[in-house]
Amino acid sequence: SQQGEEDPQALSIQEGENATMNCSYKTSINNLQWYRQNSGRGLVHLILIRSNEREKHSGRLRVTLDTSKKSSSLLITASRAADTASYFCATETGGFKTIFGAGTRLFVKA
Amino acid sequence: EPEVTQTPSHQVTQMGQEVILRCVPISNHLYFYWYRQILGQKVEFLVSFYNNEISEKSEIFDDQFSVERPDGSNFTLKIRSTKLEDSAMYFCASTGNTEAFFGQGTRLTVV
Repeated sequence: SQQGEEDPQALSIQEGENATMNCSYKTSINNLQWYRQNSGRGLVHLILIRSNEREKHSGRLRVTLDTSKKSSSLLITASRAADTASYFCATETGGFKTIFGAGTRLFVKA
Repeated sequence: EPEVTQTPSHQVTQMGQEVILRCVPISNHLYFYWYRQILGQKVEFLVSFYNNEISEKSEIFDDQFSVERPDGSNFTLKIRSTKLEDSAMYFCASTGNTEAFFGQGTRLTVV
């Protein structure tokens, strides 16, 4: 069983639509982060939400965290073709170790 | 903005050779990490390093791997006797007490 699991595995939408990706995890966390990765490239940190926070915004990104359900969601509003990438949730438990989920591949069609 | 830098960006090596991947973490960070991502797969934790010693390692991090902080700025991952299945992106990360900052990765190709 995995610590972080994203849902869906792949998502294809039209430009301008909103994209919602979900992440579930199994153990208690200190914080949860979302990363973006363009194909074959490095990881770009998008947003961090701490275990005592419920929602955070950053530009077109909105992240929610429900610790009772051990789940998080990433919403990208008004998507653009440039948002096409893989999105990973990553949880930090004790010891500052970050564990990644398998990711959601987002494809935004122009 | 401070960043984690990794060199080289791409390394090609013959099977059986040793490689050293280099990382310069953010200067005031205390925790350092190596992660691996096989093409098309998830990012996997390899090892964490704190206070000049390994604090945690995964099952992947066997005797073939070692890490070192040879001076005050560099953090290296050595892979001995490389195998084809070691081909992957290797990411270094460091953290102070907030989120981890990742480098751009080194793509290792074992031929």
